[in-house]
Amino acid sequence: DAMVIQNPRYQVTQFGKPVTLSCSQTLNHNVMYWYQQKSSQAPKLLFHYYDKDFNNEADTPDNFQSRRPNTSFCFLDIRSPGLGDAAMYLCATSSGQTNTEAFFGQGTRLTVV
Amino acid sequence: LAKTTQPISMDSYEGQEVNITCSHNNIATNDYITWYQQFPSQGPRFIIQGYKTKVTNEVASLFIPADRKSSTLSLPRVSLSDTAVYYCLVGRLTGGGNKLTFGTGTQLKVEL
Repeated sequence: DAMVIQNPRYQVTQFGKPVTLSCSQTLNHNVMYWYQQKSSQAPKLLFHYYDKDFNNEADTPDNFQSRRPNTSFCFLDIRSPGLGDAAMYLCATSSGQTNTEAFFGQGTRLTVV
Repeated sequence: LAKTTQPISMDSYEGQEVNITCSHNNIATNDYITWYQQFPSQGPRFIIQGYKTKVTNEVASLFIPADRKSSTLSLPRVSLSDTAVYYCLVGRLTGGGNKLTFGTGTQLKVEL
């Protein structure tokens, strides 16, 4: 059973039109991460939440925002997508209590037209 | 966060053992070493984690020397389905760290 679920798997949006990607988890983990992965590159951390505490990476553009309304859900909002924002967006969770594994979703592939 | 260095790519044949080494000279005392595998269009998947010495599970072994400045992921008897990108991560997920930062990764290609 999927433990980190990302919807949709594929998203097409228009240049400049706000888009929201969603992530849900059934693991009750404290920490949720959002990554951007472009073709042939490693995942790049955008930000993460520890419970309700938001931690933004210094080089994450302001165009990217996130919301975590409860433990199970986390959203990635791209306010004005540009062509350069086309990528795979990965959500991940970790317990925050132990140094074990992090669990990743299948990702949402975003296309900007 | 400790920076990691891995080979960009490796080639192997089915049935061979593959060893991928990762350098992490600035590893901190509380850092763990974790390896993830990623197939195209999928999220990374945990393979193995260790702190020191040797760790073995059903899919891989992880060798960590005493100084912990490097680590080696060992995949025994690889198959075509092991073709993937392998990432070495160094850090901790507790104590306020909670960072999971990927390095460049190693593209492993397994052929017949």
